Amino acid sequence: ETGVTQSPTHLIKTRGQQVTLRCSSQSGHNTVSWYQQALGQGPQFIFQYYREEENGRGNFPPRFSGLQFPNYSSELNVNALELDDSALYLCASSFVGGSGANVLTFGAGSRLTVL
Amino acid sequence: KQEVTQIPAALSVPEGENLVLNCSFTDSAIYNLQWFRQDPGKGLTSLLLIQSSQREQTSGRLNASLDKSSGRSTLYIAASQPGDSATYLCAVKGGGTSYGKLTFGQGTILTVHP
Repeated sequence: ETGVTQSPTHLIKTRGQQVTLRCSSQSGHNTVSWYQQALGQGPQFIFQYYREEENGRGNFPPRFSGLQFPNYSSELNVNALELDDSALYLCASSFVGGSGANVLTFGAGSRLTVL
Repeated sequence: KQEVTQIPAALSVPEGENLVLNCSFTDSAIYNLQWFRQDPGKGLTSLLLIQSSQREQTSGRLNASLDKSSGRSTLYIAASQPGDSATYLCAVKGGGTSYGKLTFGQGTILTVHP
């Protein structure tokens, strides 16, 4: 059973650019959520996807968008990058359905630096 | 709006001490509460998950308790070791259809020195 994998692990962008981060869900999971963790802070919920549709969003502007694919992998896209977007971006997957506890499994994250 | 607070923000102890990390949340209508460990620059490792109907969970030297009515949880670490040094995060999940939404505290940075 594979866990949650994210790519790239590190990247550097400049203000105004666009970035795409990728996430492969754990095998058997059908829901993916994304979090932003600024240095010294707890993770903040960005949004989640279930059945390829956004199904819940935190307090983030529309320039943060995402996709979930039929194989349950996901992308996070951020347009018009700002310095404050520098953070660790975490992806988490889970299985929704049945009587399970819906436990989230986190990936190792993608470290984005905006200069 | 759910808010999660962790106390203390940082803790430094000698090896072998027993210690308690505290977490409080403002909305008691939670589905579950989870404690995570995070090593510097790394992702999150789940330590313990307590369902809203449970009072505590144990794993090895770790014990987590939940008092939903008072909005509090504690993580007890017995006989601490230098390898326990990390940031510990508490997170709660509310009800409804936001299956993937956890609300996190800011974490407690633990240092265990030999």
